Amino acid sequence: DVKVTQSSRYLVKRTGEKVFLECVQDMDHENMFWYRQDPGLGLRLIYFSYDVKMKEKGDIPEGYSVSREKKERFSLILESASTNQTSMYLCASSIGQGRTDTQYFGPGTRLTVL
Amino acid sequence: AQSVTQLDSQVPVFEEAPVELRCNYSSSVSVYLFWYVQYPNQGLQLLLKYLSGSTLVESINGFEAEFNKSQTSFHLRKPSVHISDTAEYFCAVSVDSWGKLQFGAGTQVVVTP
Repeated sequence: DVKVTQSSRYLVKRTGEKVFLECVQDMDHENMFWYRQDPGLGLRLIYFSYDVKMKEKGDIPEGYSVSREKKERFSLILESASTNQTSMYLCASSIGQGRTDTQYFGPGTRLTVL
Repeated sequence: AQSVTQLDSQVPVFEEAPVELRCNYSSSVSVYLFWYVQYPNQGLQLLLKYLSGSTLVESINGFEAEFNKSQTSFHLRKPSVHISDTAEYFCAVSVDSWGKLQFGAGTQVVVTP
């Protein structure tokens, strides 16, 4: 079974702090994704990576950056956290074969910014 | 551009009753459609997907979805729900050759005895 793990289930940070969310997958997947999930908005793509050190902006990249130094690990960085970044963050990975890929999700990190 | 509309934000249903979750899509290219489920306090997991071939797709736990090209729909149905089907359900469409997905807003299903 594919396993995607996220470093924290719950996180509380203060406005202006730098925040790191870590994601690790154990199936040698090429693609990794970061989403945020908000009620009534579904999942919105923040960033996508299709290879080590390769990244692409998603629909809502403002205020976020990412790092993928190793194939199995994809980090989301909030450079200066703000209250409007309070949300559920979901990481996913997929094998990288194209449009028919299944995405496998981690359990999510609920981030609260005070 | 591809997009997905889930027409119901919440669907209350009694145990052993049928349920239908509606999903409409728009796409300018070949369509690949997915239903994901999110149980309470968990991440999403794939329920079923339509890639090609038969328009009726089934999951292992009794859900089925029918791809209807003329109505641009991919509705999800289950003839008899269990309490354990309480979850949020997301419809999604593949948007590019990288396998990125566009998700709908989600439908919360609450099953009561």
